[in-house]
Amino acid sequence: DTAVSQTPKYLVTQMGNDKSIKCEQNLGHDTMYWYKQDSKKFLKIMFSYNNKELIINETVPNRFSPKSPDKAHLNLHINSLELGDSAVYFCASSNEQGFLHIQYFGAGTRLSVL
Amino acid sequence: GQQVMQIPQYQHVQEGEDFTTYCNSSTTLSNIQWYKQRPGGHPVFLIQLVKSGEVKKQKRLTFQFGEAKKNSSLHITATQTTDVGTYFCAGPEAAGNKLTFGGGTRVLVKP
Repeated sequence: DTAVSQTPKYLVTQMGNDKSIKCEQNLGHDTMYWYKQDSKKFLKIMFSYNNKELIINETVPNRFSPKSPDKAHLNLHINSLELGDSAVYFCASSNEQGFLHIQYFGAGTRLSVL
Repeated sequence: GQQVMQIPQYQHVQEGEDFTTYCNSSTTLSNIQWYKQRPGGHPVFLIQLVKSGEVKKQKRLTFQFGEAKKNSSLHITATQTTDVGTYFCAGPEAAGNKLTFGGGTRVLVKP
């Protein structure tokens, strides 16, 4: 049983297209995240939701819109894809007990914009 | 905002040798976490350190949290090819639920 699952694993698309990435966790966690990892391996948080409520919204273009229909799911929709959006996008979840913040990551979605 | 720096960025190690990677935060941390990402994989949680001066071991890996709780180190003894990957440290911001990751140390092992 995969704890945090993302689909699709690979996404190759043309500039200007709109695409979505889905994430689901079966750990019973309250908080979910989207991270972007660039080619230099830097991991940067984009968004975080706690019980369906947006709590972290980093400086990310408006073309990126997260949606959390329930606390087990967090999706990411990207409009008008640009070359610079090519990266690996990781979904993660955590159980915010005290200050633990331990993150459980999905396998990642490798996005290539041509 | 909080910054977390890791050095070195790259570490080439001969199999069997030891090495250490370092993590420094611009602010005092309530805890520090280490993650390992294998090539083509995703970050996987390794360990969390909470107390000032804390030292924890996992087989050949030794993790240390500084006395001031602003730095940490990971020491690997007798490096093996299975140690290949990128090691990240991460610390939570004082307010909010955000974890700030260091830039990672990419470890390459020469057989």
